[in-house]
Order: sequence, then C-alpha cells, then structure tokens
Amino acid sequence: DAKTTQPPSMDCAEGRAANLPCNHSTISGNEYVYWYRQIHSQGPQYIIHGLKNNETNEMASLIITEDRKSSTLILPHATLRDTAVYYCIVRLYSGGGADGLTFGKGTHLIIQP
Amino acid sequence: DAGVIQSPRHEVTEMGQEVTLRCKPISGHNSLFWYRQTMMRGLELLIYFNNNVPIDDSGMPEDRFSAKMPNASFSTLKIQPSEPRDSAVYFCASSLGGGGGKQFFGPGTRLTVL
Repeated sequence: DAKTTQPPSMDCAEGRAANLPCNHSTISGNEYVYWYRQIHSQGPQYIIHGLKNNETNEMASLIITEDRKSSTLILPHATLRDTAVYYCIVRLYSGGGADGLTFGKGTHLIIQP
Repeated sequence: DAGVIQSPRHEVTEMGQEVTLRCKPISGHNSLFWYRQTMMRGLELLIYFNNNVPIDDSGMPEDRFSAKMPNASFSTLKIQPSEPRDSAVYFCASSLGGGGGKQFFGPGTRLTVL
C-alpha cells in the first residue's frame, strides 16, 4: 500500500468547513483512498472512500486531485463532535475478500467552539 | 443493528495469566480483523480472516498470541502467557466482501497486564 502524509494536527472553528489534506504521491492506479476517524476512546469509524472521482456522502466530501497524488477530506459544517483523529489510508480493494488497513499517525482535528 | 460486539470491555490481569478476548462480527459479514492500539505504535493489524479462514497473521507479535474463528459469528484472540507490554486496546472489525472495503469496528477491549 502507498504511504500517506498528513499534518499532525489542525484546528477549525465550529460551523466552518474543515479541510483535511493528505499526500499520497506513490499511489498506484488501482489503489483507493479511504478516510476513517477515531473519536477519543472509540473504535475507528469509516467516513468515505474514492478512486479518482470526487465523492460525497452524508458525512463528508472527498476531493482527489487529477493526478491522484493528493486528496482533501471536507467536513462541510464542523461540530464539536467532529473532534477526532482522521486517518487517510491508501489501499487496494479487490471487491472480494478484504485486506487489513494500515493506519498512519493521522491528523488530530480539534473543533473550537 | 448491534454492530461489532467485543467482550470484555476492560480486562485487568497479572503477568503470566491467560487472556481471551472475544468478538462477534456484524451478521452477514465475511471478513474479520483484529487490531491493537498503543500510544507508541498506534493502530496495528494483528490478523484477519476471510470466510473464517486466517489469511494473514504476520502482524501477530509472538507465539504467545493466537486467534481463532470457529464460525462466522465468533472469534477469539488469546494471549498466553500475558506480559505487561501486551497492555493495549484491542479492536475487532468486520467487513462484507463487495461492500466497498468498509470496515466496521467494535468498541475495543482495554487490556491492562500488571
């Protein structure tokens, strides 16, 4: 799996959009970008994933650059409950059996009231 | 939907004792994962199963660790004998093949070995 680079921490004001960057310059053509988050004392939670097109769901939007070397997770209206460590993970997905996830250090996002 | 269920939620034991952690995956999911989280090493994959068969146990730290999945609705992670350095939060996760590769994590078991 390709390596990812994320800033160790970020602050964002409540109600504003939180934009979390991730660099994955060694990503290969069949690797997906996944985002998970971990709220304190809880298990990681899936947020969103994508291959090359931008994706949006009820939690967030994922913007992947055209060259796929970086991506941005957007939380459109951050709340205090979005304070968590956010992990960007690049991995193959075959559609059949699943593989384990390789977590980095992630970005600690702190939402300020 | 009950989600992934882990038990116990907290375990305190003494060095040398056997510890068994339990996991019930989401019904219908065919892949199960065991992870460990410590401050020093972060989240690490220990082992995972597809259709009850162990696929990759390269993350299991030592022979003291073993994992089984006797059926689709139950898995155990056993440490025998336990050591203080095994103190960590152990997470179980499950996923459905063809489900986009999304993994659903349990609440974790916090293990303290004295």
